[in-house]
Amino acid sequence: DTGVSQDPRHKITKRGQNVTFRCDPISEHNRLYWYRQTLGQGPEFLTYFQNEAQLEKSRLLSDRFSAERPKGSFSTLEIQRTEQGDSAMYLCASSRAFNEKLFFGSGTQLSVL
Amino acid sequence: AQSVTQPDIHITVSEGASLELRCNYSYGATPYLFWYVQSPGQGLQLLLKYFSGDTLVQGIKGFEAEFKRSQSSFNLRKPSVHWSDAAEYFCAVAPISGGGADGLTFGKGTHLIIQP
Repeated sequence: DTGVSQDPRHKITKRGQNVTFRCDPISEHNRLYWYRQTLGQGPEFLTYFQNEAQLEKSRLLSDRFSAERPKGSFSTLEIQRTEQGDSAMYLCASSRAFNEKLFFGSGTQLSVL
Repeated sequence: AQSVTQPDIHITVSEGASLELRCNYSYGATPYLFWYVQSPGQGLQLLLKYFSGDTLVQGIKGFEAEFKRSQSSFNLRKPSVHWSDAAEYFCAVAPISGGGADGLTFGKGTHLIIQP
């Protein structure tokens, strides 16, 4: 497999700007997950999709965050009106089914100035 | 809500020595249990997982972990570490049912340092 790819690898933005990240999962994987990881912490679950349906959202996902997976393939995560507290590594992962092995991408590092 | 505790933030081990990384979980029932490794600039990689059956599970890179229900623990071990094992290690749990929050809950990680 080609692995999970995320774009961009790094994003620097000013507070108040909107940013969008893209995740391309492994092609036959139905489940796609977004996590956030801050320095010195483990990844925190944000949301996941089964095909194009968003089935679960964490309380961490404020209304400034929106995720889509329109055709059940790639996914985007948008953060509106970014805040300095949004600075983190945003990780995407995919799997074929529930509790099948998760494959993680290398992440998008967001820095909000 | 489930939680994972990794009591050791940093561990330093000499190359060739044995290793044990501790993990305790809090959950209403036996969850699925995982160990992941994260090297700088790389994505998280699954080392091993426990779903049911034999409580001693073997993983990649010579790692193993033992599930102890009575202690709510899932400690990771390796008999002889290599310099390439230096990384961040995360223990994680996931609900068996799949209902509600489906994602993994991770511990805060243990940073493993290998001394020559």
